Amino acid sequence: DVKVTQSSRYLVKRTGEKVFLECVQDMDHENMFWYRQDPGLGLRLIYFSYDVKMKEKGDIPEGYSVSREKKERFSLILESASTNQTSMYLCASSFWVNTGELFFGEGSRLTVL
Amino acid sequence: ILNVEQSPQSLHVQEGDSTNFTCSFPSSNFYALHWYRWETAKSPEALFVMTLNGDEKKKGRISATLNTKEGYSYLYIKGSQPEDSATYLCAYPSGTYKYIFGTGTRLKVLA
Repeated sequence: DVKVTQSSRYLVKRTGEKVFLECVQDMDHENMFWYRQDPGLGLRLIYFSYDVKMKEKGDIPEGYSVSREKKERFSLILESASTNQTSMYLCASSFWVNTGELFFGEGSRLTVL
Repeated sequence: ILNVEQSPQSLHVQEGDSTNFTCSFPSSNFYALHWYRWETAKSPEALFVMTLNGDEKKKGRISATLNTKEGYSYLYIKGSQPEDSATYLCAYPSGTYKYIFGTGTRLKVLA
């Protein structure tokens, strides 16, 4: 059974803390994505990676960075968490871009106090 | 600005009812149209990836149609069951790696 695993389902952090969200996929996919989901808005792309050490900014990259040191792992980093980063974060991977289905993790719900 | 619209935002139906939702997307530079089902506390999972105008796909009681010329797709559920309760998302790849998601249709099937 194919899997995308996110490290934490629920996190509570304080303003200014550094936050790591980890995502691992076991399907040997080249493409990995980080999205955030907020009420009333569609999933919004934060960052995308199409290969090890390669990354592209999505629509809302401000306040975030990413790391892809190994093909199976894509990490999202909040250097200094702020309250407006309270959200649900979803990781996804795919084999093909555009026509390949996205495989999602279960999400990480982050609350920043 | 590319936009993907889904309607309705939410609906409640009785068990056994059939229902349908709409996804509207830009009709230019079409690559594909994705449908996902997102159940509470689970990960979104793909239902269909549709690529050809006039495409019709079916999975059990769920089917989808695609009209790329006018920019819409319909998702149909026949004989809704409580386990169909979920948020249904459509996604439009706008080129390279950017998928534009609709805000979803939240379905509640009442037993």
